[in-house]
Amino acid sequence: DAGVIQSPRHEVTEMGQEVTLRCKPISGHDYLFWYRQTMMRGLELLIYFNNNVPIDDSGMPEDRFSAKMPNASFSTLKIQPSEPRDSAVYFCASSGENTEAFFGQGTRLTVV
Amino acid sequence: AQSVAQPEDQVNVAEGNPLTVKCTYSVSGNPYLFWYVQYPNRGLQFLLKYITGDNLVKGSYGFEAEFNKSQTSFHLKKPSALVSDSALYFCAVRHGMVTGGGNKLTFGTGTQLKVEL
Repeated sequence: DAGVIQSPRHEVTEMGQEVTLRCKPISGHDYLFWYRQTMMRGLELLIYFNNNVPIDDSGMPEDRFSAKMPNASFSTLKIQPSEPRDSAVYFCASSGENTEAFFGQGTRLTVV
Repeated sequence: AQSVAQPEDQVNVAEGNPLTVKCTYSVSGNPYLFWYVQYPNRGLQFLLKYITGDNLVKGSYGFEAEFNKSQTSFHLKKPSALVSDSALYFCAVRHGMVTGGGNKLTFGTGTQLKVEL
């Protein structure tokens, strides 16, 4: 398996634009997590899914953020409209029921 | 609430010397603890985990961690540090093992390990 695959690796966008981050989890994993990493806040869990169903979205900072998982092999995190304070590295991770989480390489988002 | 604390922002050690990166935890119930490492511009990589069993857990790249229930600690250790071990290390706690109910990880703030020649 190629591991957790995220795209794009880097995204630079202007304030107010819509941004969509993509994630393909490891096949067979039924948990998917979206994390955000910044110097100020460290690693924050934004939302996680179990069997494609959102379980806990309490970490989503505000309504501008939304996440979907239409099937077991794909998830998106959307920010609309984007703001400079959304600049961060966004990680997707997946795990099985009783396995450790495996992380993707991350998407470095810069909003100017 | 489940949480972990990493009291040191940075640890410096000379190559060949033993290293320790500290982590303490606060959980209700049995702790499920993890260590991850992050190299620059990379995602987090799993090192080792404690679920149950022996208090000394061995992991990747020669790392090990000691679970200490009385001190609520899960310190990461390595007998002989390498320059290539320099990275950011995260301790994490899983919120239970209930099916569909609490598989998320909460991470500590991270400890930057610097190994010098």
